[in-house]
Amino acid sequence: DADVTQTPRNRITKTGKRIMLECSQTKGHDRMYWYRQDPGLGLRLIYYSFDVKDINKGEISDGYSVSRQAQAKFSLSLESAIPNQTALYFCATRSWGGYANTGELFFGEGSRLTVL
Amino acid sequence: GENVEQHPSTLSVQEGDSAVIKCTYSDSASNYFPWYKQELGKRPQLIIDIRSNVGEKKDQRIAVTLNKTAKHFSLHITETQPEDSAVYFCAAHQKWGSARQLTFGSGTQLTVLP
Repeated sequence: DADVTQTPRNRITKTGKRIMLECSQTKGHDRMYWYRQDPGLGLRLIYYSFDVKDINKGEISDGYSVSRQAQAKFSLSLESAIPNQTALYFCATRSWGGYANTGELFFGEGSRLTVL
Repeated sequence: GENVEQHPSTLSVQEGDSAVIKCTYSDSASNYFPWYKQELGKRPQLIIDIRSNVGEKKDQRIAVTLNKTAKHFSLHITETQPEDSAVYFCAAHQKWGSARQLTFGSGTQLTVLP
């Protein structure tokens, strides 16, 4: 089955370390997203990308950067991790088309990051 | 920017009863309103969505209603079952960067008691 895969699934790191979360997909979708989930805050958009040359900031991009290495790969980096970046991170994809950039988001299984 | 407020944050119902979750949004230009279900330890999955040119949509035991004038939309689950227990997120489209993207509500933990 076509899927969205995130690595690592769990990571514990220390303040100041550089961390990369990777996302790959076999759905053939061109649109990829990174969301952060915190209890009581829902899912907040960090970055999104329509193709390898089109990357956009979301609601909470400060402290994060991304790289779209190929249509199927979208990585999220924390250059210098801090404790309030402890959260569950989701990658998601969506196909182009549909009405006004709408349509189903397909999420990966999530990457739980703990920054000590 | 747009806020999407979701209530209640927790909801417990007896099996077989109905559950209603409500959301309000602030961006009058929003035109797409999906609902996602996240079971414990799992990824969010779309369960139903509605567009602004429609006032109500049903899919078996699930329905969503939209009131564009009041800027609120609701999820209705009838004849609830234990497998309906999950966190439910509403969302609305908002413009971030060059295009409209989803802004999610804070989630509702629904517990269906047997």
